[in-house]
Amino acid sequence: EVVLEQSGGGLVQPGGSLRLSCVTSGLSFSSYWMSWVRQAPGKGLEWVANIKEDGSEKYYVDSVKGRFTISRDNAKNSLFLQMDGLRVEDTAVYYCARGYSYPNWGPGTLVTVSS
Amino acid sequence: DVVLTQSPLSLSVTLGQPASISCRSSQSLVYTDGNTYLIWFHQRPGQSPRRLIYKVSTRDSGVPDRFGGSGSGTDFTLKISRVEAEDVGVYYCMQGTYWPQTFGQGTKVEI
Repeated sequence: EVVLEQSGGGLVQPGGSLRLSCVTSGLSFSSYWMSWVRQAPGKGLEWVANIKEDGSEKYYVDSVKGRFTISRDNAKNSLFLQMDGLRVEDTAVYYCARGYSYPNWGPGTLVTVSS
Repeated sequence: DVVLTQSPLSLSVTLGQPASISCRSSQSLVYTDGNTYLIWFHQRPGQSPRRLIYKVSTRDSGVPDRFGGSGSGTDFTLKISRVEAEDVGVYYCMQGTYWPQTFGQGTKVEI
């Protein structure tokens, strides 16, 4: 069974930083692209970033470029999202998901940016 | 970016009756390899999304056969042949043909 476990959300002031983690099991992690998708309160889904199997390619939605960094540790089957310069509009539940067609999702972690 | 427009945005259904959701794309979703990367997700309240269908009409493992996807080019449809109580929630289409992947606005289904 594929399981994605998330951690790292919370409340942060505008301009602050958070690091999200996603630890996976039940899949050959190093064989898949991985992604972050977010959902603002009461809103729809928005792709945020994804990373190639070996970490050599990374892509971001324009609104987070230069502020967020996606990374992975294949030895630990883990995906990360370093979020710096957080803005109120980054408030959302952040999901990690396998690949870029998202057959598997994590439970989500809430990031609240507020003063 | 490719815009996906879902309709209706809200749908009230009767148990045992069929339901249908439309997803229209601002451009053809046929990729250079001949595949069409149109995906449907279902999100129950308070839960993560679950993928139901990929490449227009292929059901994921464990998805009941009352769910069916169809369409081509720019027009796609998700049909539920007989709605059950567990089908409530929000349904999203998503395209994976062009970067960046984009989602429709979602269709809320309630009984």
